[in-house]
Amino acid sequence: GAVVSQHPSRVICKSGTSVKIECRSLDFQATTMFWYRQFPKKSLMLMATSNEGSKATYEQGVEKDKFLINHASLTLSTLTVTSAHPEDSSFYICSATRQGDGNEQYFGPGTRLTVT
Amino acid sequence: QQQVKQSPQSLIVQKGGISIINCAYENTAFDYFPWYQQFPGKGPALLIAIRPDVSEKKEGRFTISFNKSAKQFSLHIMDSQPGDSATYFCAAGDTDKLIFGTGTRLQVFP
Repeated sequence: GAVVSQHPSRVICKSGTSVKIECRSLDFQATTMFWYRQFPKKSLMLMATSNEGSKATYEQGVEKDKFLINHASLTLSTLTVTSAHPEDSSFYICSATRQGDGNEQYFGPGTRLTVT
Repeated sequence: QQQVKQSPQSLIVQKGGISIINCAYENTAFDYFPWYQQFPGKGPALLIAIRPDVSEKKEGRFTISFNKSAKQFSLHIMDSQPGDSATYFCAAGDTDKLIFGTGTRLQVFP
């Protein structure tokens, strides 16, 4: 149990366009979802935390207007990278917590974004 | 107060040997200390986690040692196998967030 999926797994987009990444908890209702960014051979950097029906909490230095997060239901959160630029190319990973499991975060498989 | 320092950056171990990765945290409010394994192009997977009320936790070949007074914790992989070759991340946090260490690339040679 506690499976998190992401779609798409890979996406290539042109500079200036927007791209949406979905994060779903498949077999549980997620109390909280997190979005991370990971550059090659680097650590995971938390971008934002979201709870269903409320505005996301962004980490310092993360542009809210560039990385739009929508958490419309207990099983779905989306990250939209607006007006993407090559420097936004990265590996984006979401995670979710499940009620009763305390702090444990269940991670998705990640989405590789390449902006050309 | 939010940093988690991890060492070594890379580690080469022979098959059957013990792999040891160390982490240190700063924020004494953290109450959850997990270790994750990540293969290239994949999301991290939880290996084992510990809370500050115990000093050691063992699951199979993986053991976490925790030193609350020193604000340090470590992962020991016993009988390391080539299939253990991956990047390992420690993390520290609470119900609000996890702060990840910088990662250790482990290579286990036959």
